[in-house]
Amino acid sequence: QKEVEQNSGPLSVPEGAIASLNCTYSDRGSQSFFWYRQYSGKSPELIMSIYSNGDKEDGRFTAQLNKASQYVSLLIRDSQPSDSATYLCAVLPAINAGNMLTFGGGTRLMVKP
Amino acid sequence: DGGITQSPKYLFRKEGQNVTLSCEQNLNHDAMYWYRQDPGQGLRLIYYSQIVNDFQKGDIAEGYSVSREKKESFPLTVTSAQKNPTAFYLCASSIHGNYGYTFGSGTRLTVV
Repeated sequence: QKEVEQNSGPLSVPEGAIASLNCTYSDRGSQSFFWYRQYSGKSPELIMSIYSNGDKEDGRFTAQLNKASQYVSLLIRDSQPSDSATYLCAVLPAINAGNMLTFGGGTRLMVKP
Repeated sequence: DGGITQSPKYLFRKEGQNVTLSCEQNLNHDAMYWYRQDPGQGLRLIYYSQIVNDFQKGDIAEGYSVSREKKESFPLTVTSAQKNPTAFYLCASSIHGNYGYTFGSGTRLTVV
């Protein structure tokens, strides 16, 4: 059973729309959650971290965490073609040897002009 | 500037040859990791190290070896035992998983 699940996509949205990316996790005691953006052929880049229930906003990005339902989401407002990338969700499980992140498989986002 | 550097960016390996990928960080991070990524796939953990002179196998360690003689350096050797080494290799480091990982720019390895 995969511990962090993401829809692989592609998720296609028109330019200017809101893109909603979702991630579910299995370890109820997980405490830390991260979103990485990975452009094709490049390495992942940390764009958001969230640690408590609720919303966290940073520019056009909003991370939402619901620990009771065990999901974390990333909203991208006013989507731009430059947002086209794969978005990786990463979770720090409570039961963890070595404080290691568990990554989801990623969701590919395509923003069409 | 602090960061994590991988070299080379592109590497070509002949059949039966061992190659070593370099990973150096000046972030003073204790933990370092190696991941493999195949086209359209997620990250798969090869090896990780939480402290100097100690490292642990990840999910796909067969055909790979590492060393951690210095805090700053965590080189990965792809041995001839790895039968399908063509992939994108990513090195990462962290001070603690709670703060996320910093990734290097990656090495793309191709078997010729």
